[in-house]
Amino acid sequence: KAGVTQTPRYLIKTRGQQVTLSCSPISGHRSVSWYQQTPGQGLQFLFEYFSETQRNKGNFPGRFSGRQFSNSRSEMNVSTLELGDSALYLCASSLTGSGNTIYFGEGSWLTVV
Amino acid sequence: AQKITQTQPGMFVQEKEAVTLDCTYDTSDPSYGLFWYKQPSSGEMIFLIYQGSYDQQNATEGRYSLNFQKARKSANLVISASQLGDSAMYFCAMFPPGNTGKLIFGQGTTLQVKP
Repeated sequence: KAGVTQTPRYLIKTRGQQVTLSCSPISGHRSVSWYQQTPGQGLQFLFEYFSETQRNKGNFPGRFSGRQFSNSRSEMNVSTLELGDSALYLCASSLTGSGNTIYFGEGSWLTVV
Repeated sequence: AQKITQTQPGMFVQEKEAVTLDCTYDTSDPSYGLFWYKQPSSGEMIFLIYQGSYDQQNATEGRYSLNFQKARKSANLVISASQLGDSAMYFCAMFPPGNTGKLIFGQGTTLQVKP
């Protein structure tokens, strides 16, 4: 059974640019969440999608957005990149997003220069 | 507000010995879930073990067991027979009710296994 797949694994962007990260959840999982991990702030929840709808949202500016497709695959987008957006972005999937085990992908390492 | 506290920033253990990683949590909800994840330097967050607040027995998964003491609000991870590959960051996390898809993480504990 394939795990959570994130692409790309590593990327370098310039300030002001935008970036799109992709996540394919475990087959059958309909809930996809995104987290940002930095040395200073630790792991912070960005948002969660279920059946193409955003159900939960963390405390991040509007530059951070996401979407989910009918096949449960999800993308997150960060516009107008800032140096502080440099982080490991982790995608997680679960069956329903509530009361189930949550599995993570390998993450996407974003460096903003 | 829900909170997870891991008080050990770093720990050392000798190979083949057991080690306990501490985790305390704070919540007023009676229903919640507790997770432990392992994060090697590659970045992947690997699920280790889960304990539900209503589970009567402590969870076990191979060499991992969770010492769940509900009254003390602690959920310590015990790794038996440590291996060199266990060297990683370990995170305790809580899944509060009413927050779909959202885990609350502790700050993590770095474990180093010495040969």
